[in-house]
Amino acid sequence: KQEVTQIPAALSVPEGENLVLNCSFTDSAIYNLQWFRQDPGKGLTSLLLIQSSQREQTSGRLNASLDKSSGRSTLYIAASQPGDSATYLCAVNRGSTLGRLYFGRGTQLTVWP
Amino acid sequence: EAGVAQSPRYKIIEKRQSVAFWCNPISGHATLYWYQQILGQGPKLLIQFQNNGVVDDSQLPKDRFSAERLKGVDSTLKIQPAKLEDSAVYLCASSYASKYGETQYFGPGTRLLVL
Repeated sequence: KQEVTQIPAALSVPEGENLVLNCSFTDSAIYNLQWFRQDPGKGLTSLLLIQSSQREQTSGRLNASLDKSSGRSTLYIAASQPGDSATYLCAVNRGSTLGRLYFGRGTQLTVWP
Repeated sequence: EAGVAQSPRYKIIEKRQSVAFWCNPISGHATLYWYQQILGQGPKLLIQFQNNGVVDDSQLPKDRFSAERLKGVDSTLKIQPAKLEDSAVYLCASSYASKYGETQYFGPGTRLLVL
């Protein structure tokens, strides 16, 4: 069974800091990995999708890396802003049941001015 | 492009009552998902449809939950009878396959409180 763990559960930083969110998964046989953002009372927004054959993906100030063999992914946020405050969720797709995502519990990020 | 639509946004019911949620996916998306997100946890897949056929319902509590997707577009999720532990946000998502993989697009969710 696939288990996804995210560390830390919560993070509070001042504006401008670079930060790293961690995600680990128990079964390395994944199809892809996604990072989502969830704002209070709203659905999930996909930030980055990394295929199992890729090592990293970048979008603006966000960079996600994937080390499938060790079962780890990191989301790097550069020059954090108060608007980045949200819960960040990591999810893996095992591929055996294509589309089904296994989510971690998320990291609640607060960026204060 | 319109996103995934869900209604109602909020629902409060008493235990043992029934409730239904509606989802309208993004046009052209063949795959539709229902997830349950309990407070403080990540979403958990309840059921996955490909067009109007069920692909995965292994985690759907079939004694009380049911879902259908008529004509391969809109979907409804029903709970009957509801229990206290069903209090959660119910998220609907849709996706299509591209060369970049399969990105799921989520609706705003329906927040259910069972008293």
